[in-house]
Amino acid sequence: EAEVAQSPRYKITEKSQAVAFWCDPISGHATLYWYRQILGQGPELLVQFQDESVVDDSQLPKDRFSAERLKGVDSTLKIQPAELGDSAMYLCASSFLQGSGELFFGEGSRLTVL
Amino acid sequence: AQSVAQPEDQVNVAEGNPLTVKCTYSVSGNPYLFWYVQYPNRGLQFLLKYITGDNLVKGSYGFEAEFNKSQTSFHLKKPSALVSDSALYFCAVRGLGGATNKLIFGTGTLLAVQP
Repeated sequence: EAEVAQSPRYKITEKSQAVAFWCDPISGHATLYWYRQILGQGPELLVQFQDESVVDDSQLPKDRFSAERLKGVDSTLKIQPAELGDSAMYLCASSFLQGSGELFFGEGSRLTVL
Repeated sequence: AQSVAQPEDQVNVAEGNPLTVKCTYSVSGNPYLFWYVQYPNRGLQFLLKYITGDNLVKGSYGFEAEFNKSQTSFHLKKPSALVSDSALYFCAVRGLGGATNKLIFGTGTLLAVQP
């Protein structure tokens, strides 16, 4: 069964350092999402891509976060510099149809900032 | 603005008993509602969705959800709980954010099924 691949699964870093997460969606899924899930809360959308274009990054802290999906396939989410409050699970998801609501999630990348 | 509320942080149920996980929503227009499940240290998995039609929606692993427009609710149910159902359950509504129609998730309900 096709899955959304994410790496690394776990990342520990010190504040002010740079960190990057990678996601490879299910083949053929044009829509890719990055969510942040803080412990005890529901996932919050950071950025949504349709192919290589950003269609929603309204909740992305653009002073320190960036995301790209250059060829419309895999994607990278970067944080520079990391802050203590960035400690969270970063979830990547993809869907075949934009707006369908049926998302396929990866296992996530858990970030701890010390 | 669209929102969902999950009033219970945790639901405890004995194995074999029926379970209900509650969700209420607020949305402009017709709601598109979803349930997802998250096992420890894993990503979310889609369970079921309501778009239109029959108010009782059946999904994966024997779960179902009942849409009630007058009560603005979309409760998740299962006739007989299994220990393996223990997980974190999220209700979500599809927001109307321009081209994105992004999902807005509730805070989650931890389901604990005791043997």
